[in-house]
Amino acid sequence: DTEVTQTPKHLVMGMTNKKSLKCEQHMGHRAMYWYKQKAKKPPELMFVYSYEKLSINESVPSRFSPECPNSSLLNLHLHALQPEDSALYLCASSTPHGGADTEAFFGQGTRLTVV
Amino acid sequence: AQSVTQLGSHVSVSEGALVLLRCNYSSSVPPYLFWYVQYPNQGLQLLLKYTSAATLVKGINGFEAEFKKSETSFHLTKPSAHMSDAAEYFCAVKVSDKLIFGTGTRLQVFP
Repeated sequence: DTEVTQTPKHLVMGMTNKKSLKCEQHMGHRAMYWYKQKAKKPPELMFVYSYEKLSINESVPSRFSPECPNSSLLNLHLHALQPEDSALYLCASSTPHGGADTEAFFGQGTRLTVV
Repeated sequence: AQSVTQLGSHVSVSEGALVLLRCNYSSSVPPYLFWYVQYPNQGLQLLLKYTSAATLVKGINGFEAEFKKSETSFHLTKPSAHMSDAAEYFCAVKVSDKLIFGTGTRLQVFP
């Protein structure tokens, strides 16, 4: 199973709402990632979890709060977002650090619209 | 810092023609390099990867890439384009736990 599953596929939320994005993988990967992708741009790294611990935060605003409850699950909690946060949010997983089997597997993404 | 540069934000080819998408990397050590493809409103799919085992790497859907250290390049090629190859292509380099993407190249295929 080389699948990363993201839910929901689409999400519309108001600026005062609280919502969560979910990501699940069963490949035994111990590194998981959140990326943000705006239209016609490459994915931008937001957070990295390695062995269920937050290892990288790319100076993401606190209205985005990641959580890694276990080695298979990754959440992104959203609160008080702005319209400019509308984007495709991608989850990925891989083996941590370097090595030959170092590729990242991506989910299909959650299309988020903030109104 | 390690990075990748993709030359040409748009490439257009006729169906059946050669596809060449360019990627150059900057790295002081042998890098881990990747090509991903993204279809509209979808996630990224790995096409192929370079991890120093072989300089010519074959991937899915008939794509291949050659690692050239002397040119710091990892260009993606396909001998004969198909309409279904139309998509966005990203070159990427892995630095520790970070996957850093190039700006992407949109491939258009005309009948």
